Amino acid sequence: AQKITQTQPGMFVQEKEAVTLDCTYDTSDQSYGLFWYKQPSSGEMIFLIYQGSYDEQNATEGRYSLNFQKARKSANLVISASQLGDSAMYFCAMREGRGYQKVTFGTGTKLQVIP
Amino acid sequence: GAVVSQHPSRVICKSGTSVKIECRSLDFQATTMFWYRQFPKQSLMLMATSNEGSKATYEQGVEKDKFLINHASLTLSTLTVTSAHPEDSSFYICSAQIRTGNTGELFFGEGSRLTVL
Repeated sequence: AQKITQTQPGMFVQEKEAVTLDCTYDTSDQSYGLFWYKQPSSGEMIFLIYQGSYDEQNATEGRYSLNFQKARKSANLVISASQLGDSAMYFCAMREGRGYQKVTFGTGTKLQVIP
Repeated sequence: GAVVSQHPSRVICKSGTSVKIECRSLDFQATTMFWYRQFPKQSLMLMATSNEGSKATYEQGVEKDKFLINHASLTLSTLTVTSAHPEDSSFYICSAQIRTGNTGELFFGEGSRLTVL
């Protein structure tokens, strides 16, 4: 079974609008962490936001927020006020257990921001 | 944030040769580094976990004799693609976890694009 599922291979959003990228996960661990990374065409992986399984508040980092619904096992990324520079691949990822465990990535969503 | 440097960013080699890719953590000690492979328009696939001072742990299906990993110090891990063939052409990217803290956040290198002719 897939540990991380991103069901949207591609998304379009108008500049200055908000967009939600979906991510669901599967784990039996009580302790886990969820990440979102951005990968522009240059290939580098840019860390955006992190949510721990025990965090009660949804994580926010500037224009990025993570809509964490633990019971549904979903961790959707919300980008507000989209900018042209947000066009990139976005990967949801999960670390299971505590500390230094390997991180598993979803298949990614390609976001294109339209002027 | 923490900085991970990967070198070379691009390499072209002939079939049958070996290629070494370096991954350095510049401003922190990384006891654990991870090597990923990414095919075009696909996700990152974990190849192996590199632990300082011990043998790497390879994922199922990854040939350890083909992809040699050495993690000799707390700041350097290397991936050597031995006897490279065209099917080894790919984007290889390393990442490191910071030693302290428990979020497990990965800091990535810039990636290395390997083309085997």
